[in-house]
This record gives sequence, C-alpha cells and structure tokens, in this order.
Amino acid sequence: GESVGLHLPTLSVQEGDNSIINCAYSNSASDYFIWYKQESGKGPQFIIDIRSNMDKRQGQRVTVLLNKTVKHLSLQIAATQPGDSAVYFCAEMFTGTTDSWGKFQFGAGTQVVVTP
Amino acid sequence: DAGVTQSPTHLIKTRGQQVTLRCSPKSGHDTVSWYQQALGQGPQFIFQYYEEEERQRGNFPDRFSGHQFPNYSSELNVNALLLGDSALYLCASSLGQRTYEQYFGPGTRLTVT
Repeated sequence: GESVGLHLPTLSVQEGDNSIINCAYSNSASDYFIWYKQESGKGPQFIIDIRSNMDKRQGQRVTVLLNKTVKHLSLQIAATQPGDSAVYFCAEMFTGTTDSWGKFQFGAGTQVVVTP
Repeated sequence: DAGVTQSPTHLIKTRGQQVTLRCSPKSGHDTVSWYQQALGQGPQFIFQYYEEEERQRGNFPDRFSGHQFPNYSSELNVNALLLGDSALYLCASSLGQRTYEQYFGPGTRLTVT
C-alpha cells in the first residue's frame, strides 16, 4: 500500500550546522503533514506542521518545505544543538473524508546524531 | 497541567495471553488515538476513540479492541497475543475529533514471549 518513507535512516550533523531531513510520500491525496521528534524512551513530540496549500512554514529554528509536484517533504533545523539528537518522523494524513480523519501515516524515521 | 500518561511502562506476556493497556489523555482533551510502534519503525495507527466510540480504525485485526470511559481515559486490549505484537504502544490525545495536533504519551513497552 501507499506509505510515507524517508531517504536517510541516519543523519550525522556537527553542532552548529544546519540539518536537513527528507521525507517522500506516495499518497498524492494527503493534504496535511507533521514532523515529530522522538527522543529515547519518550513518545513523539510535535515539531511543526504544514498543509498542502502551503509550500513553506517556519517555526523556531525549524522550517518545513513541501513540494507537492514530487511528493517530497523536508525539515530543516538551523544551528543544530545536542538536544536535537533524536529520531524524526514525518506523518501524513488526508483530511478530506470522515473515514480518513485522524489516520496519520508515519514514515520509518531518521536518526539524527549531533556531534560536538 | 498533566500530559498524556500511560500504564504500565513495561509489560511481559506469554503468547496466547491477553493484555490491557491504559491511557489518560492530556487535561482538557477528549479524543484518544492508539498507535503500535515496532522497533525501528514509525508508529502505526490502530484506532481512535471519541465520545466513547471507536471512530477510526487502521489495518489491525479484531484481536485489538479498545474502550473509552466517560472521563476520556482509554484502554487498549489485545487478545491471543502473538510474538509479533511485541512493540511500543503509544497513546495520543487531542481536543475534538477533527483536530490536527496530537500529544503523545511515553508509551507502554509490550514484550510477548
């Protein structure tokens, strides 16, 4: 079936550098996307979201880019810090029908390791 | 303000047994969703409860069932456990069925031997 996937399973980043985490999605009907951060022993934590009527959204040190043409999503983290070390997931959802609401589909995740 | 809580933290069961996991949503939230997260994988949606009814369901067999109580807390029940049911079970709460932002609990680690 259709699924959300990530290109890089592990990303090693030097402290202070910018990180870019990529995600490919195959369900062209998906119209809402979220990035989550999951630290060891914890549940996923909401980072930022974006709707399909946007191509860019910025938060504090994070930016999400959406390219619907190639069904690609990315998360950029500026000035990566040791506390950013975690697994990052993208998740998609189609909000257009009652049956699909709440059914987030997650990718496998990318492990980000921040080195000093 | 209490976040999402889950119990127990860890659980070991034998194949064929039944298990019940519990979740208390974030204060003020009325919707609870359950996810299964296998090791090294992303969470997989099991089902969502709102107004004490199952509203949405993912691709999980009937062995997986749930319940939501009037205080919005929820239980996940798994019958006839299989080795493949070993995973981290996550509960997420939100306000209203049609809201986007979900808050996750720390999960219950279930090991089936």
